[in-house]
Amino acid sequence: AQSVTQLDSQVPVFEEAPVELRCNYSSSVSVYLFWYVQYPNQGLQLLLKYLSGSTLVKGINGFEAEFNKSQTSFHLRKPSVHISDTAEYFCAVSDEYNFNKFYFGSGTKLNVKP
Amino acid sequence: DSGVTQTPKHLITATGQRVTLRCSPRSGDLSVYWYQQSLDQGLQFLIQYYNGEERAKGNILERFSAQQFPDLHSELNLSSLELGDSALYFCASSVGGSGGLSYNEQFFGPGTRLTVL
Repeated sequence: AQSVTQLDSQVPVFEEAPVELRCNYSSSVSVYLFWYVQYPNQGLQLLLKYLSGSTLVKGINGFEAEFNKSQTSFHLRKPSVHISDTAEYFCAVSDEYNFNKFYFGSGTKLNVKP
Repeated sequence: DSGVTQTPKHLITATGQRVTLRCSPRSGDLSVYWYQQSLDQGLQFLIQYYNGEERAKGNILERFSAQQFPDLHSELNLSSLELGDSALYFCASSVGGSGGLSYNEQFFGPGTRLTVL
């Protein structure tokens, strides 16, 4: 089965600073990759996904991620964060035999400070 | 609002008891997915149903079972509850999902928080 590693459990950052949330996955075959955001007391919302094509994927709220097959990474970036970006972010990879079955990372809590 | 509804929002019960969590998918969605989010295990896929039939299984305990009814709502039944079952249980839905080799975007509900005392 696939697995996902999010190395940083918490990332503090000041407002308007850039941020990168790291995600590494283990899979030797083609899979799909996702980033979800969870705001306090809410469900998960899809930020962006990589299915195929360009390795630079743009998502909602100004986020983007780059798929790097050689490094098996899918890091999430935003050039300038807002207070409203404070949330928990989850990286996920699809199962190689079922693209609707996901394996999630442990999550990274982004804390944007004024 | 994703359009996926889950009831109840909160549930407090005792060890050994049985509970049922309910999920109503978005209008038109045929697939329902169940996830467990706990401090110990993180976010884990439990099971998927498509139009009433089980389609994929994850780390779902034998004490847990699910079903999807003809009106497409789904229920997750948790029995012989243990302290470690305390978690946030999410339901998601998607339009498709009958086969595994095409991607279908999942929309998540707000979750049911289960506390086992």
